[in-house]
Amino acid sequence: EDKVVQSPLSLVVHEGDTVTLNCSYEVTNFRSLLWYKQEKKAPTFLFMLTSSGIEKKSGRLSSILDKKELSSILNITATQTGDSAIYLCAVEAGGAQKLVFGQGTRLTINP
Amino acid sequence: DAGITQSPRHKVTETGTPVTLRCHQTENHRYMYWYRQDPGHGLRLIHYSYGVKDTDKGEVSDGYSVSRSKTEDFLLTLESATSSQTSVYFCAISESTGADEKLFFGSGTQLSVL
Repeated sequence: EDKVVQSPLSLVVHEGDTVTLNCSYEVTNFRSLLWYKQEKKAPTFLFMLTSSGIEKKSGRLSSILDKKELSSILNITATQTGDSAIYLCAVEAGGAQKLVFGQGTRLTINP
Repeated sequence: DAGITQSPRHKVTETGTPVTLRCHQTENHRYMYWYRQDPGHGLRLIHYSYGVKDTDKGEVSDGYSVSRSKTEDFLLTLESATSSQTSVYFCAISESTGADEKLFFGSGTQLSVL
């Protein structure tokens, strides 16, 4: 059975801190790993990773995939209160763009 | 929002009643998906469609059926709703950007089964 596990499940930090969110997976026919941010409504796309060791960046957010360790991390530097959200990791396995999601990490940034 | 509209946005119903949720897209995407989101479980795939009248089951398909009679609409039906189907339901479409294909989600339907 395909499985994606995120850690920690919940994290509370102060504004300005740097955070690292973890995602590990056990799937057959791995194709890609995706990160989403979910505030009040729909998850919104952050990154898609297919190749090991290549960092993707968008402003203060960055992510990297390690296919040997079957894992990925999402880094957020200089956190802001607007970064408070649930961060979801998902893996596409088996084609048809079907995603298997982790439980999510609830990140809270306190001012 | 990738042109995805879900309806209704909220629904309260009673156990044993049929319920249909609608997902409408305006950009002619081939693949459409229904996920449910529950605390502690993340999002789980219920059913998906890869074309008109072409559908397949996801990991939590029991108690649900789907139909896709035209490209733009993907319907999710609970034939006889149960309290365990209380959840937030998200529709998604797959969109290609170059060599990558990503899922984009609708705003969700909050369903409560009493």
